[in-house]
Amino acid sequence: DGGITQSPKYLFRKEGQNVTLSCEQNLNHDAMYWYRQDPGQGLRLIYYSQIVNDFQKGDIAEGYSVSREKKESFPLTVTSAQKNPTAFYLCASTSGRALDTQYFGPGTRLTVL
Amino acid sequence: GQQLNQSPQSMFIQEGEDVSMNCTSSSIFNTWLWYKQDPGEGPVLLIALYKAGELTSNGRLTAQFGITRKDSFLNISASIPSDVGIYFCAGHGNTGKLIFGQGTTLQVKP
Repeated sequence: DGGITQSPKYLFRKEGQNVTLSCEQNLNHDAMYWYRQDPGQGLRLIYYSQIVNDFQKGDIAEGYSVSREKKESFPLTVTSAQKNPTAFYLCASTSGRALDTQYFGPGTRLTVL
Repeated sequence: GQQLNQSPQSMFIQEGEDVSMNCTSSSIFNTWLWYKQDPGEGPVLLIALYKAGELTSNGRLTAQFGITRKDSFLNISASIPSDVGIYFCAGHGNTGKLIFGQGTTLQVKP
């Protein structure tokens, strides 16, 4: 089946530790995105990548880092510099053609203790 | 930057009732998308609209791309308990980026 997978579903970390969230897609999509969702709020864009080895900051990139070494993978690292990292993180992808729809993964809920 | 205003913020309805929610913007959008998010899951695309005036149905769901290109609505007919969730509108604005509304939380009482 084609789709987007995110792992793990739930993640717990101690304050001050970096943590990496996985996102993989087998849709042959060029563009991938990371969003953060807080309770009762919409989606805020963290980082996006339109092609391998290239990525751009979104609206709330501070305290996060990404890499795009492979077309299928777009991992997100939540660093200790992120002041309030507890949230629901969503990965999405799209073909990259103009006005194409985004498809989302199931999300990872990160809780920092 | 461009923003979407989605309303209502939340709705609590009786099973069997029809539901309507909408998104508006002060500037033109080139697409309108409607997603549903179940608790603890990622959003799932319900309907995509690409032309002004376009009216599209998906089962009990109907959505329209406003003729001014500044608004869209989503209707759900004869609601059932599994309709519960958060509904997001989204659209491609003049920057080409996908912009999301704040979401409408729908609760259905059996």
